[in-house]
Amino acid sequence: EDQVTQSPEALRLQEGESSSLNCSYTVSGLRGLFWYRQDPGKGPEFLFTLYSAGEEKEKERLKATLTKKESFLHITAPKPEDSATYLCAVQVPYGGSQGNLIFGKGTKLSVKP
Amino acid sequence: KAGVTQTPRYLIKTRGQQVTLSCSPISGHRSVSWYQQTPGQGLQFLFEYFSETQRNKGNFPGRFSGRQFSNSRSEMNVSTLELGDSALYLCASSLSGGDGGSPLHFGNGTRLTVT
Repeated sequence: EDQVTQSPEALRLQEGESSSLNCSYTVSGLRGLFWYRQDPGKGPEFLFTLYSAGEEKEKERLKATLTKKESFLHITAPKPEDSATYLCAVQVPYGGSQGNLIFGKGTKLSVKP
Repeated sequence: KAGVTQTPRYLIKTRGQQVTLSCSPISGHRSVSWYQQTPGQGLQFLFEYFSETQRNKGNFPGRFSGRQFSNSRSEMNVSTLELGDSALYLCASSLSGGDGGSPLHFGNGTRLTVT
């Protein structure tokens, strides 16, 4: 069965302390990898799409990278407003009962001032 | 451009009742997917509709059903509610859905509590 695993489950950082979140996947046929941010009581907000190994995308303090087995979300000099749960999702060939977008369980990031 | 709109935001129902949730996708998006989110299981796929046809279905019992209208708006229905159905139900729309490579855009969900 296709699997997406995110680590760590929770991460506490001081403001300005850079770190990385990991998303590893075991799937048959990667079509794309998506990163989302979810705030409490809200739906996931789309951040990035990565399609092939070696690809990188940046947005403000966030940078996403992709290899053949995993993706990293690097957070540089985080601020308290970056606190949220970050979800990774892998798009696979259509038709499985998991749907074509398989989500990890997320990393809950807390940034303290 | 307006985002995905889900109504209602909150629902409280008792066991055995049924419920209908509504979703209006982003204008121009023809694919609508539904997910159930719980703290223990994360996001679990319910079903996907594209141009009024169900293209894919997750491993949920037949009490969970959905439909899509010609204007791409979608509804999902849960009959004979159980306590375990308490969750955040999320709707997402995309241009192509399936494995077309376009991202899903989510609404803020309907929080269903079954007592």
